[in-house]
Amino acid sequence: QTVVTQEPSFSVSPGGTVTLTCGLTSGSVSTTYFPSWHQQTPGQPPRTLIYGTNTRSSGVPDRFSGSILGNKAALTITGAQADDESDYYCVLYMGSGISVFGTGTKVTVL
Amino acid sequence: QVQLVQSGAEVKKPGASVRVSCKTSGYTFTNYDITWVRQAPGQGLEWMGWISTYHGHSAYARKIQGRVTMTADTSTSTAYLELRGLTFDDTAVYYCARADSHFDSGEVHWGQGTLVTVSS
Repeated sequence: QTVVTQEPSFSVSPGGTVTLTCGLTSGSVSTTYFPSWHQQTPGQPPRTLIYGTNTRSSGVPDRFSGSILGNKAALTITGAQADDESDYYCVLYMGSGISVFGTGTKVTVL
Repeated sequence: QVQLVQSGAEVKKPGASVRVSCKTSGYTFTNYDITWVRQAPGQGLEWMGWISTYHGHSAYARKIQGRVTMTADTSTSTAYLELRGLTFDDTAVYYCARADSHFDSGEVHWGQGTLVTVSS
């Protein structure tokens, strides 16, 4: 069974840049997987940041950007701020109406 | 404004069933699908399934296939998630989202979540 992989954690300095990735245990991620990215803070529902690889949701700051880097989907935070400290999850579409969440990345800003 | 309001917390015994509702407002219900996601305590998000509110078509994660049914009541603009044969592993917060199966149908709106606790 294919697993969607993410880095467990990342630390970034305020104002710094961090790139989170979303890969597959078997195969390469492309736009046909419709990668999306969701941010979650403890006790809150998720917030969708990016969908369709690189489309930002309404109200999402442009310091968040989505792309394909090599064989993975990527979420880049440019100019990190303190309130970007959250868990980040990607989702990949596997076909036949089925999607799978990644394992999640905990981002610390310090 | 778009709102998805979920039903309240539930406590169920192992083997029982639970039904969670997701009442929508602020948009045309049948223009957008509903996706269900859950999160066990201290764990990550898990995609459960999706339903087309227009056609009634659905798809479910393999892990829960056979125990889950998602429905949509167009008369009340409400989506429902039913999960049967509950086990302790089904203890989680359940979220509905206005989204197609791959979150690519425009702006995604989320419900507030419903805690389902399975306890003997």
